[in-house]
Amino acid sequence: GAGVSQSPRYKVAKRGQDVALRCDPISGHVSLFWYQQALGQGPEFLTYFQNEAQLDKSGLPSDRFFAERPEGSVSTLKIQRTQQEDSAVYLCASSRGDTLNTEAFFGQGTRLTVV
Amino acid sequence: AQKVTQAQTEISVVEKEDVTLDCVYETRDTTYYLFWYKQPPSGELVFLIRRNSFDEQNEISGRYSWNFQKSTSSFNFTITASQVVDSAVYFCALSGPYGGATNKLIFGTGTLLAVQP
Repeated sequence: GAGVSQSPRYKVAKRGQDVALRCDPISGHVSLFWYQQALGQGPEFLTYFQNEAQLDKSGLPSDRFFAERPEGSVSTLKIQRTQQEDSAVYLCASSRGDTLNTEAFFGQGTRLTVV
Repeated sequence: AQKVTQAQTEISVVEKEDVTLDCVYETRDTTYYLFWYKQPPSGELVFLIRRNSFDEQNEISGRYSWNFQKSTSSFNFTITASQVVDSAVYFCALSGPYGGATNKLIFGTGTLLAVQP
């Protein structure tokens, strides 16, 4: 597709439920980022992939959060045993990652509400 | 540590007014990049501009202009003759020396701009 695609757009989960959020980056993009955006706040970095390698996961808030990108394309962010504080918009971004003059393109996000 | 501060939480203007959105940053990197993104109600972050730390020239793109001042660690954004379609949340962001290619972005808390007809 032309842009970064995320699914689902909206997800309501009961507390304690596991969820999986999908990101389809722009074709050929090497770098992929996940961000978490709480209501009224700016996005906060969660994790970064270069192809299939997860090079930085310093932003993952707990071991309940897990991300993968097994074939270097589609990525999945999984949250186990969801809690109310996990409610946020989860944004995915991708970039060519091969030069200094590229920027990250963002998807529309998945809004997760934990009830 | 890296930090971005957008002190203006909300700004309301009437159409055709000029408006400036402030951004102050902190970083220990000697090479870094600064960004502005627009987030309309649809939620997608739309890239507006990238600036590297060695280029302090002001930039103008249509009704948009950016003023980068290293001496005050500021990267302010001005919209001239604002329009209703400019209504959105605007984020200033900072990254390390590889820009948006491989460095994570540090975002400010955003400024909600409401342009009234």
